[in-house]
Amino acid sequence: AQKITQTQPGMFVQEKEAVTLDCTYDTSDQSYGLFWYKQPSSGEMIFLIYQGSYDEQNATEGRYSLNFQKARKSANLVISASQLGDSAMYFCAMREANTDKLIFGTGTRLQVFP
Amino acid sequence: GAVVSQHPSWVICKSGTSVKIECRSLDFQATTMFWYRQFPKQSLMLMATSNEGSKATYEQGVEKDKFLINHASLTLSTLTVTSAHPEDSSFYICSARPGQGGNNQPQHFGDGTRLSIL
Repeated sequence: AQKITQTQPGMFVQEKEAVTLDCTYDTSDQSYGLFWYKQPSSGEMIFLIYQGSYDEQNATEGRYSLNFQKARKSANLVISASQLGDSAMYFCAMREANTDKLIFGTGTRLQVFP
Repeated sequence: GAVVSQHPSWVICKSGTSVKIECRSLDFQATTMFWYRQFPKQSLMLMATSNEGSKATYEQGVEKDKFLINHASLTLSTLTVTSAHPEDSSFYICSARPGQGGNNQPQHFGDGTRLSIL
């Protein structure tokens, strides 16, 4: 069965520093997609970044980058130059092959302090 | 970008009431939409896949008679929590994905509905 694991329930980072949020996954499929979403306290789910299983380069979107290590089945999110507004829950998710279903990890609560 | 609208954002009602939540894709058509439930400080759990023009597909353990899903058009899916009780209180959120653009198109989420049953 497919599974997403986020081992960090909470992380703290100082403003302007970089932070890495861990995500490992388990799947027997060759084709899959990995996503990171941000959920502020208001509840909406904000898409941050995508990595396809066949993508050879790590995905980047502004201050967000994905450290994709396929052999280790990890897809860690790196946030550079953290801002106070980055404080939120962060979820790693995997799209099942041949479906649009998303399987979510348990999330990491990031707190950015001044 | 793709926008998904969810309404209402907050519902408080008495036990035994049925509550309908709407999920609309505003600028794209969605043959499939998804309904999730999220308890406080927990992750999103997929409840069901809503299929336009056909029956929804429910995840294991989700009562289909309790959570009625109707996907009558390519832009609207509704979730009705029938005879709601306090244990149904939760955050419900829907998502949809535009068909065009390939596999890197993400699911876009509504803003969610906080349901509180007294």
